[in-house]
Amino acid sequence: DIQLTQSPPFLSASVGDRVTITCRASQGISSYLAWYQQKPGKAPKLLIYAASTLQSGVPSRFSGSGSGTEFTLTIGSLQPEDFATYYCQQLNSYPCTFGQGTKLEIK
Amino acid sequence: EVQLVESGGVVVQPGGSLRLSCAASGFTFDDYTMHWVRQAPGKGLEWVSLISWDAGTTYYGDSVKGRFTISRDNSKNSLYLQMNSLRAEDTALYYCAKGGVLTVDPFDYWGQGTLVTVSS
Repeated sequence: DIQLTQSPPFLSASVGDRVTITCRASQGISSYLAWYQQKPGKAPKLLIYAASTLQSGVPSRFSGSGSGTEFTLTIGSLQPEDFATYYCQQLNSYPCTFGQGTKLEIK
Repeated sequence: EVQLVESGGVVVQPGGSLRLSCAASGFTFDDYTMHWVRQAPGKGLEWVSLISWDAGTTYYGDSVKGRFTISRDNSKNSLYLQMNSLRAEDTALYYCAKGGVLTVDPFDYWGQGTLVTVSS
């Protein structure tokens, strides 16, 4: 199975900051990587797929990059509603797997 | 508007069985792959199972293989998860998620989940 390792597991930042979350795959997954945002008590929400394609309706301050084994999610200027947990997911092969999550907290 | 509504989550004893359902609306159900994903209390997301549009392909996570069975009824726009030989570690919120036409497509819509508790 392909393992995904997200870093950091916790991130403390302020409104207006630019933040980057990294996701590393244990083997190459081409660009079959998605990013999700989850707020407490809510279902995950798709942000980015195919490593860098923004899902419809997602603000442009979110961006993704990478291919192969290393990927990043960047939030350009943090807004109050962005404080949540973020997960990466690989869809290159089954079982598909999620990273362990990065909890983004307000500093 | 796409809607996915899960049901069937209850408290069940270890070794017991349960069937979850997911009612879909707002899209052409039989065009898309569907998934179950679970989240144990306070933990991360764990993919459980996939079923292709025509039920011709199914995949399972290692932790549920041989115990869970995914199915769908396209005439009823419904997805199911039959869960047997339940264990304490199966306790989780179970989400139904809509995939794409291909198995590499992401999960673009999720239900709100149904809670399964395995406890004596």
